Amino acid sequence: GAVVSQHPSRVICKSGTSVKIECRSLDFQATTMFWYRQFPKKSLMLMATSNEGSKATYEQGVEKDKFLINHASLTLSTLTVTSAHPEDSSFYICSAMRGQTNTEAFFGQGTRLTVV
Amino acid sequence: SQKIEQNSEALNIQEGKTATLTCNYTNYSPAYLQWYRQDPGRGPVFLLLIRENEKEKRKERLKVTFDTTLKQSLFHITASQPADSATYLCALAGETGFQKLVFGTGTRLLVSP
Repeated sequence: GAVVSQHPSRVICKSGTSVKIECRSLDFQATTMFWYRQFPKKSLMLMATSNEGSKATYEQGVEKDKFLINHASLTLSTLTVTSAHPEDSSFYICSAMRGQTNTEAFFGQGTRLTVV
Repeated sequence: SQKIEQNSEALNIQEGKTATLTCNYTNYSPAYLQWYRQDPGRGPVFLLLIRENEKEKRKERLKVTFDTTLKQSLFHITASQPADSATYLCALAGETGFQKLVFGTGTRLLVSP
C-alpha cells in the first residue's frame, strides 16, 4: 500500500511555543490531505482538509489561527500548533488518499504532542 | 448529524474463535463504509471497504457485511490470533465530501492464546 510518513512521532514543548508537524506522501501525490486529532480512547476527529495550493478547509469548532495548515506541494502538508497550551496535548494524525476518486485513506503514524 | 456507534467495551475472545464487531450508524446513508485497524500509538491501517450496493466483502480471514436497512455493518475475523489484538474502527464517508471520513470510537479486540 501507499506510504504516508509523519514527523515527529513525539514532541514535548513548553506552553506558548509553536510546534510544526509534517505529513508526507512518499510514493504518490496527494492533492488533498486530512488532519485528525485523537484523544485517549476516543474517535479520530477531523480537524481540517488540507488542499494543495489553496487554503485549508477547517471543521466547525477548529480554530484556524491556532492550527495553521500549509500544503505547499503535492507530497507535503504541515500542521503548526501555534502558542500551544496543555489542552492542545493530543495525538495528531494525518491521512492522504491517492487520487481524487479513491476512498482508501493512508495514515501517517501519528504525532504525540505533549505541552508542558 | 451523523452518528456512528461501536461497542466501547473491549471484546475478549479465545484464539481460534471468530470475533464479530458491530458498527451502527444513524442520520445518514453512506455510499460506502470502511474498517480500519489501529494499534496503540499508531495511525489507523485500512482493512476493507464495502459499498452500499454490496452485502458482503471478504479478504483472507476478514469478512464485512453491510445492511443499509438496519444501518449496520458487522466485521468478522475468523480463526482469530493474538496478533489480531488491536482497536478496530469503522468509518463512513462524511456528508460534506466522500473523502472526508467520519470514524466511530472503535472497539478493542483482545485475543487470548
